Amino acid sequence: DTEVTQTPKHLVMGMTNKKSLKCEQHMGHRAMYWYKQKAKKPPELMFVYSYEKLSINESVPSRFSPECPNSSLLNLHLHALQPEDSALYLCASSRGPGTENSPLHFGNGTRLTVT
Amino acid sequence: DAKTTQPTSMDCAEGRAANLPCNHSTISGNEYVYWYRQIHSQGPQYIIHGLKNNETNEMASLIITEDRKSSTLILPHATLRDTAVYYCIVRAYLQGTYKYIFGTGTRLKVLA
Repeated sequence: DTEVTQTPKHLVMGMTNKKSLKCEQHMGHRAMYWYKQKAKKPPELMFVYSYEKLSINESVPSRFSPECPNSSLLNLHLHALQPEDSALYLCASSRGPGTENSPLHFGNGTRLTVT
Repeated sequence: DAKTTQPTSMDCAEGRAANLPCNHSTISGNEYVYWYRQIHSQGPQYIIHGLKNNETNEMASLIITEDRKSSTLILPHATLRDTAVYYCIVRAYLQGTYKYIFGTGTRLKVLA
């Protein structure tokens, strides 16, 4: 079991669809992360939110739009995706800046297929 | 950003120690080294982390060289369930937050 919950587990969407990935944690963490992972590759950082503000955007295309409504929730809005965006999308959280012992806690991801 | 390099794959006999190396020669003085593992189709699982001292917990030991340019993760008695991809990560502080950048990972296969 993981303390970071991601929904849905699987998602198939067409290139003209709009969908959202959701991530939730109740550990009181103040930093939340989105990673993208292609098959047999390491996770690649996409976005970091710190205290509900976007801190890092790793030059991600605008068809991916993150949102952090509160400290427990993180969304990733998807629009006009391409087949090459098919991947495992991982959410993670940590205590945030100012805490030395602050490992990332990962969810089990949403496996996205774009048709 | 500090980068890490790891061997692509390793084999280890069940019951023996697995020693997984990582090179992070560009690490800065205040950047931590973290280790995670990922079993197929699951999210990465935290194992251990350290700054400059050796560390041990119930899962593994972490040995960091004195110059901090490399480290070794040790699984003391590998089991079949330890078969996974192991990632060495340097945590950098950037733009007011921590940034965790994954290395390429080592695919460890534990053999019966």
